[in-house]
Amino acid sequence: KAGVTQTPRYLIKTRGQQVTLSCSPISGHRSVSWYQQTPGQGLQFLFEYFSETQRNKGNFPGRFSGRQFSNSRSEMNVSTLELGDSALYLCASRPGQGSTDTQYFGPGTRLTVL
Amino acid sequence: AQSVSQHNHHVILSEAASLELGCNYSYGGTVNLFWYVQYPGQHLQLLLKYFSGDPLVKGIKGFEAEFIKSKFSFNLRKPSVQWSDTAEYFCAVNDRTGNQFYFGTGTSLTVIP
Repeated sequence: KAGVTQTPRYLIKTRGQQVTLSCSPISGHRSVSWYQQTPGQGLQFLFEYFSETQRNKGNFPGRFSGRQFSNSRSEMNVSTLELGDSALYLCASRPGQGSTDTQYFGPGTRLTVL
Repeated sequence: AQSVSQHNHHVILSEAASLELGCNYSYGGTVNLFWYVQYPGQHLQLLLKYFSGDPLVKGIKGFEAEFIKSKFSFNLRKPSVQWSDTAEYFCAVNDRTGNQFYFGTGTSLTVIP
């Protein structure tokens, strides 16, 4: 099976702009989670989608939003970008919402905000 | 909310040395525990996981971890590290509802040949 794919891999934006990141989960996986990874902060949970519904949300401002489509693909949007949004954004998929399901991570999208 | 602490931020070892990376979590209930590894330029991948049963779990590449409930700990060990173990290691927890995983800040391991 193909792994989790994320596009684009690298992105450079300026403050105030908005950005949309895309994630295609492993075939058959219905749950997609998004994380922000920064040095010293580790992975911070943004949100999780399952069957097109947001099931859980981390402690991020409303500028961060997402959605999931019927084919389980997910997008994440960040509006009014700030310098502090520069990070690696990781997407992870798993088959369902079982607590023992392993998450499979994509390569990430490296966002740089200038 | 839960928190996960990885007290070792950077570890440098020589090849063949033994490794132990600490992980402590805050949740008092039943948890699932995971260790992930991120090799340079690669995706995060699962090393091992603990759900129940034997508190000593074995993972890939010779890694193992021990769950000590009384200490809220899930430390990662390897008896003899190799240069190829150079990577960042993340401990993660979920609280059995399964909806959210909490990650530590990671430990960067450098193994010197």
